[in-house]
Amino acid sequence: AQTVTQSQPEMSVQEAETVTLSCTYDTSENNYYLFWYKQPPSRQMILVIRQEAYKQQNATENRFSVNFQKAAKSFSLKISDSQLGDTAMYFCAFMKHSKLVFGAGTILRVKS
Amino acid sequence: DTGVSQNPRHKITKRGQNVTFRCDPISEHNRLYWYRQTLGQGPEFLTYFQNEAQLEKSRLLSDRFSAERPKGSFSTLEIQRTEQGDSAMYLCASSLDVLAGYNEQFFGPGTRLTVL
Repeated sequence: AQTVTQSQPEMSVQEAETVTLSCTYDTSENNYYLFWYKQPPSRQMILVIRQEAYKQQNATENRFSVNFQKAAKSFSLKISDSQLGDTAMYFCAFMKHSKLVFGAGTILRVKS
Repeated sequence: DTGVSQNPRHKITKRGQNVTFRCDPISEHNRLYWYRQTLGQGPEFLTYFQNEAQLEKSRLLSDRFSAERPKGSFSTLEIQRTEQGDSAMYLCASSLDVLAGYNEQFFGPGTRLTVL
């Protein structure tokens, strides 16, 4: 079975600074997808960034980038130039056969 | 608004009652998923449909739970004889199945169920 572990229940960062959220996962699969989702307070979940396991290059989306270490089964999210609107719960997720398996989440608070 | 919608947004019920939730996916999406999210946890997969066919059900989905997608468009999730442990946010997501690709799942706002 696939599992996803997020070891940081809460993180905080000053506005304009950089923060990294950690995620590890366990799978015996070779081809899969990894995601970071953002769930703002009382709002719906949206996709932040995705990574295909067969790609060695780390994905980037504007201020968001990942550090994907396939052998270590690690998938961290780096948020640069943090903004107040980045305050949310962040979920790391693994996809295989169309199903998403989520970690427990990390609450990120951006402080002004 | 062409996103995924869910109704009701909040439901409070007494233990033992039946409840039904509705999800309207993005119109051209042929896949629809249900997840359950308890407080402080990530969503857990319950079931999913391709068109009207229910392709997979999680072991989390006890026999008190039933989901339908009769015409391949909207879906309903019914919980019979609710228990306090059913209290959670029920999330719906939809995607467009792309052959040999991956399907981004778009989430609805969820239905928060409280069982008293």
